[in-house]
Parts: sequence; structure tokens; C-alpha cells
Amino acid sequence: DVKVTQSSRYLVKRTGEKVFLECVQDMDHENMFWYRQDPGLGLRLIYFSYDVKMKEKGDIPEGYSVSREKKERFSLILESASTNQTSMYLCASSEQWGSPLHFGNGTRLTVT
Amino acid sequence: KQEVTQIPAALSVPEGENLVLNCSFTDSAIYNLQWFRQDPGKGLTSLLLIQSSQREQTSGRLNASLDKSSGRSTLYIAASQPGDSATYLCAVYSLNNNDMRFGAGTRLTVKP
Repeated sequence: DVKVTQSSRYLVKRTGEKVFLECVQDMDHENMFWYRQDPGLGLRLIYFSYDVKMKEKGDIPEGYSVSREKKERFSLILESASTNQTSMYLCASSEQWGSPLHFGNGTRLTVT
Repeated sequence: KQEVTQIPAALSVPEGENLVLNCSFTDSAIYNLQWFRQDPGKGLTSLLLIQSSQREQTSGRLNASLDKSSGRSTLYIAASQPGDSATYLCAVYSLNNNDMRFGAGTRLTVKP
């Protein structure tokens, strides 16, 4: 079974802090994704990566950056956290384009 | 831009009832459609994936159908159980956008 692991289930950070959310997958998948999920808005794509060191913007990249130095790890970075970034963050991976998505358990981030 | 809609937003049924969840999408140029289950505070678990050339997929008590020309998919759950209570999301992989678009989900409650 594919395992996608997000390093933290819950995080509380202060406004202005730099925040790192880590995601690791164990199935040698090419593609990795970061989504945020908010009530009434559903899942929105922040960034995705289709190879090491490659990244593409999704629908809402503003205020975020990503890093993929190794194939199995995809990091989401909030350069200067703001209260409107309080959300559930979900990482996913897929073997290739069009393959099923596999999700981690999510990180609930609260910015105060 | 592909838009995915799930109606109703919430559904409550007594245990044992058969039920249908609906998903509609605006652009029929899709590669596949995937149904997910999400338990409160957790990530998404893949249930079924239907390729654009397929009409339906079955897994246990679940059956998903796809009518690409009309932009509709249904998830049929037979003999519902309290353990089926969760939010069900559909996601469409769009050829034109080359990404996956999610519906907002249907929150299902099965009462004992």
C-alpha cells in the first residue's frame, strides 16, 4: 500500500513565522501535490511537482513556496505565516499523470 | 475551466438503505474520475477510479458510474452502515487543464 506521511497532524504558529510542512511518500511516485481544504471552498491546489527540483503553481500559490530536493519528499513553505493561511493542508502523490491520487492524513495549521 | 459540483451537500439516511451520491462536471474532456472518502479531520481515501472509456466500477458495496457525455457520475452505496458515515468527494482529471478538480463533497450520515 502507498503511504504518504505528513510530519505533523496539528501545528500552531504565530503571524510572521516561517512554517515548513513536510510530506514523504514511499512508492517512488513521480508527482506530488499540496492542497489546502477550507469549509465551503473544497480542495484547492497550491503547488505540484512532477519531478525532483521541478515545481508548478496551482490555483493559489501566493504566500507559499515549495521544495523538492528528493523524489520522496515535497515540502510546503509559508514564508511569513498569516491568519488567512489557517487551514487543513493535504499532501498527495501519484505514480504518473492520470494515476490515482494517494493522500496523507493532513496537517491542521492554525496561525494566531 | 472545469467545475465539479456535488449535490446534495449533506444527506442523512437510516441504516440499511441504498443510496446514491451525485457528481457533475462541466467539461466532458476528462481522463478519469475518482471517488474519495474523508473521515473528520483526516485525509482522503481513494474508493474507486473510473477511466473515461469505462461506464462503471465496483468495489464491494460501492458502485460508481460515469456518463461522460452528460457530465455526470454517481456513487451507489448498497445496504448502508453507520461506518459509511463520512464525506464523499469526487475529483475529475481534466485533459484541457491537465489537473484534477474536486467537488466540495457530500457529507453522509447513516443512522443506526
